[in-house]
Amino acid sequence: GQNIDQPTEMTATEGAIVQINCTYQTSGFNGLFWYQQHAGEAPTFLSYNVLDGLEEKGRFSSFLSRSKGYSYLLLKELQMKDSASYLCAVRDQAGTYKYIFGTGTRLKVLA
Amino acid sequence: DTGVSQNPRHKITKRGQNVTFRCDPISEHNRLYWYRQTLGQGPEFLTYFQNEAQLEKSRLLSDRFSAERPKGSFSTLEIQRTEQGDSAMYLCASSLGTGNEQFFGPGTRLTVL
Repeated sequence: GQNIDQPTEMTATEGAIVQINCTYQTSGFNGLFWYQQHAGEAPTFLSYNVLDGLEEKGRFSSFLSRSKGYSYLLLKELQMKDSASYLCAVRDQAGTYKYIFGTGTRLKVLA
Repeated sequence: DTGVSQNPRHKITKRGQNVTFRCDPISEHNRLYWYRQTLGQGPEFLTYFQNEAQLEKSRLLSDRFSAERPKGSFSTLEIQRTEQGDSAMYLCASSLGTGNEQFFGPGTRLTVL
């Protein structure tokens, strides 16, 4: 079956660092994606990993371990505007462009 | 604004009615996706087009749902004989070739009474 697990909610303080974990079990794998979604808005792309390791992009970094079926999104220097849902998604096997999304992690950043 | 537009933004209908939604992707994007999202859940894949060809359709999608992309540009999603369980946000996304980033439209929120 296809399964993606993320914590439902997390809370952190402005200026802090937070790590959002994602584990996946899918029939195929052709990349892992993180999206940010503010309430009532569409998801926006944050990062993409297809090889093991860390990808850094400003205040956001994403890590992937394919052997463990595990990824995390690291947010540094948290700002109030980072309060949103963070969606982990896996693109199914090569040759298909089907994306499987997790339920999302709702992050609250407190002053 | 990602450049992907969807119409209407909101639709209220009575159970049993048919509804049609439209998505206009970014013009050069050849891949187009439809998703359904309910409160507290992530987007659920419905179907995917490459140009005008519908290459994948979720097994979760009943026969009441149909999608088209006749000229490889805009796409329509039709739901026949709507049910209350169809109430959700319907999201369209597009991407370019083998590009990794999907650009999402603002969505159409459907309420079935």
